[in-house]
Amino acid sequence: QVQLAESGGGLVKPGGSLRLSCSASGFTFSGYYMSWIRQAPGKGLEWVSYISPDNSYISYAESLKGRFTISRDNAKNLLYLQMNSLRAEDTAVYYCARDFDYDLLTGYFDYWGQGTLVSVSS
Amino acid sequence: EIVLTQSPATLSLSPGERATFSCRASQSISNYLAWYQQKPGQAPRLLIHDASNRATGIPARFSGSGSGTDFTLTISSLEPEDFAVYYCQQRSNWPQTFGQGTKLEIK
Repeated sequence: QVQLAESGGGLVKPGGSLRLSCSASGFTFSGYYMSWIRQAPGKGLEWVSYISPDNSYISYAESLKGRFTISRDNAKNLLYLQMNSLRAEDTAVYYCARDFDYDLLTGYFDYWGQGTLVSVSS
Repeated sequence: EIVLTQSPATLSLSPGERATFSCRASQSISNYLAWYQQKPGQAPRLLIHDASNRATGIPARFSGSGSGTDFTLTISSLEPEDFAVYYCQQRSNWPQTFGQGTKLEIK
């Protein structure tokens, strides 16, 4: 069955960096667009970034202003999110999510991981 | 950026009753709308895509309708496991955006 498992979250000071990973299994990872979506404590959902199956198309939320970098390793079935210059407002649970359709950017998310909590505080 | 406004913020109903959720877009999004269910401590679950298509494994009591700017999610007869937060999401325009959610609570 499809499984997504995030790791790498934790407590970091403002201005610090963190790298999140998402391990995928149960499907052909190399054939799907993948996204990161975050949810601040007690708040709604915010799309962060997506990456195409072959790494050729990448997009970020405007609010991130170049601080985050998404990447993937299809040989290892891993998705990454490198987060730099972290701010208090980046505090959230970060989910990785699979796009709905094979080799197509639908913008819908049919499988999600359980999330990893990133806390930015001094 | 397209803003999705969900109403009501909270819906208080009893098992067996009918639940109706509203999602209004700040501009037309055709039928490019999804609905998700999120329970406490869990990831969201895709219920409906393209306004009215149930995702795989979603019970028939969940249905979606609408196009343009006004959309509705209906649960025909509430089961105990349906009490959760529901989000709408549009993928018509980049960036895809989510509504603020409607909490369905037990009355």
